[in-house]
Amino acid sequence: DAKTTQPNSMESNEEEPVHLPCNHSTISGTDYIHWYRQLPSQGPEYVIHGLTSNVNNRMASLAIAEDRKSSTLILHRATLRDAAVYYCILSDYNTDKLIFGTGTRLQVFP
Amino acid sequence: DAGVIQSPRHEVTEMGQEVTLRCKPISGHDYLFWYRQTMMRGLELLIYFNNNVPIDDSGMPEDRFSAKMPNASFSTLKIQPSEPRDSAVYFCASTSFRGWETQYFGPGTRLLVL
Repeated sequence: DAKTTQPNSMESNEEEPVHLPCNHSTISGTDYIHWYRQLPSQGPEYVIHGLTSNVNNRMASLAIAEDRKSSTLILHRATLRDAAVYYCILSDYNTDKLIFGTGTRLQVFP
Repeated sequence: DAGVIQSPRHEVTEMGQEVTLRCKPISGHDYLFWYRQTMMRGLELLIYFNNNVPIDDSGMPEDRFSAKMPNASFSTLKIQPSEPRDSAVYFCASTSFRGWETQYFGPGTRLLVL
């Protein structure tokens, strides 16, 4: 399974943008980049995913480097409710599994 | 839809007892996943099913763990006998079309084995 590397923790102030980085230097051409987050005492929830092009949805934006060896999850205006562990995951098109790493714990301060 | 439903939400049992965790996936979803989360090991995939058939159980820790999916709307994860090191939060997730498509997680079952 392709591996991802994320910082253990990050901090942000409320209403500021947050850029969560993820390195995946061994990514292959068919690997999708997924982001999930886990709020305290809840199950993980889907945030966004992409293959090559940048993606936007109501929760966040995903910026993918041109060589696809890294990506960044962008929360445009952090709120206290965004405090969570954010997981960057690669999925192989040929398998049916998502392998979660340790993620980045995001703290948001008022 | 009510989402993925898991029961019980909390379970406290004594070492050696049998524990059964239950999951109802989202209607129409073809894939069902069982995960375990601990502080030490993070979120681990235990087993997953496609159309009620177990596809990959390589994450099941040992023979004490077993999982079944008798029909499309119900799955169980059983631990017999339970041990203190099985204490964890167990999540069930489901998705459709392909396993790596957006997975929808249940609220989890928090298991404590004394």
